Amino acid sequence: AQKVTQAQTEISVVEKEDVTLDCVYETRDTTYYLFWYKQPPSGELVFLIRRNSFDEQNEISGRYSWNFQKSTSSFNFTITASQVVDSAVYFCALIVNFGNEKLTFGTGTRLTIIP
Amino acid sequence: ETGVTQSPTHLIKTRGQQVTLRCSSQSGHNTVSWYQQALGQGPQFIFQYYREEENGRGNFPPRFSGLQFPNYSSELNVNALELDDSALYLCASSSRGPSGNTIYFGEGSWLTVV
Repeated sequence: AQKVTQAQTEISVVEKEDVTLDCVYETRDTTYYLFWYKQPPSGELVFLIRRNSFDEQNEISGRYSWNFQKSTSSFNFTITASQVVDSAVYFCALIVNFGNEKLTFGTGTRLTIIP
Repeated sequence: ETGVTQSPTHLIKTRGQQVTLRCSSQSGHNTVSWYQQALGQGPQFIFQYYREEENGRGNFPPRFSGLQFPNYSSELNVNALELDDSALYLCASSSRGPSGNTIYFGEGSWLTVV
């Protein structure tokens, strides 16, 4: 069975600070995919990134960056120079088989950016 | 804008009633999944449809059922509603390929059972 753990339930930072959201996953499969989604109060899950298990390169997209480390089964997400619009709940998720695209989600981290 | 639309956005039902939620997938996507998200929790997988056939089911009772239509739109039906069914119901669509694909979500349907 797969499991995703987001130990940080809530984080608050002052605007312009950097913040890292942690994600630890468990799976016995060697091929899997990791995702991050942002959920604003409206409810829609907004796709941020997908990473497959064979690609351990870190990725940067604007103020967002992701650090994937298979050795520690972690896929952490960093927001640089945070903005109030970054306030949301962030979910890390895992798929082990793209033929059966069942996402296993963590419990989410509520991020509040204080102006 | 994900191209996945859900209706209705909000609804209130009475315990014991039945509800149908609808989802229009992104164009070209042949796989649709439904998730239930209780307050303060992560989404939980209900089931998935691929080319009109159920293809995977989570730990939900049979009173949760679904359909996928030839145009790849989908319905989630819940019979004999219980108070614990109150949640956000999310539809996700994707298109299967050898390299995998991105999974897009709609804005969800907020169901309150009273």
